[in-house]
Amino acid sequence: DSGVTQTPKHLITATGQRVTLRCSPRSGDLSVYWYQQSLDQGLQFLIQYYNGEERAKGNILERFSAQQFPDLHSELNLSSLELGDSALYFCASSVERPGANVLTFGAGSRLTVL
Amino acid sequence: AQKVTQAQTEISVVEKEDVTLDCVYETRDTTYYLFWYKQPPSGELVFLIRRNSFDEQNEISGRYSWNFQKSTSSFNFTITASQVVDSAVYFCALSADNYGQNFVFGPGTRLSVLP
Repeated sequence: DSGVTQTPKHLITATGQRVTLRCSPRSGDLSVYWYQQSLDQGLQFLIQYYNGEERAKGNILERFSAQQFPDLHSELNLSSLELGDSALYFCASSVERPGANVLTFGAGSRLTVL
Repeated sequence: AQKVTQAQTEISVVEKEDVTLDCVYETRDTTYYLFWYKQPPSGELVFLIRRNSFDEQNEISGRYSWNFQKSTSSFNFTITASQVVDSAVYFCALSADNYGQNFVFGPGTRLSVLP
């Protein structure tokens, strides 16, 4: 167990729908990262939050949004879902001390859009 | 811009063979960190090693060893006496930021170890 908890593990939904993926970081970690892993795109960085504030943005679609709450858990909202959004979504957390930037990943949430 | 290249898409070996996974990186930063992660069939991403740009010493951990060469911008990973449990996708990654931002992954190498 990595200490990073992601729910749900699996999710099947239809095109046009909206889903929310949840992540609880490892105890003591202030940063949360979201990654998308699809078969043809590899691991794509979506967004990072640090202590509630957005820190960095990657290739995140406008239909997607995220936030980090005061208790440090994070949610990734995916709306107007398309078939191409089917992927494994990973959350990772890190301590964010100098030299301590190892990302610890959760088990992922597998989204299937039908 | 940072980039990580893993030219080997898939590798198959027979158990007990040694195998090396290649990783070549690009960055203009003088301080950076290199990583290897393992993704077994179960799907989770497992951290294997981190190396900073000032430490070119090779590292050995059991059957795993890593060869970091700044001159060729490479950070290769060797598994000695491979086992079926080593079958996984292996990702090399680069972070040129001390705080974990700009964490870039390579495309991964799928290793299959056959019994």
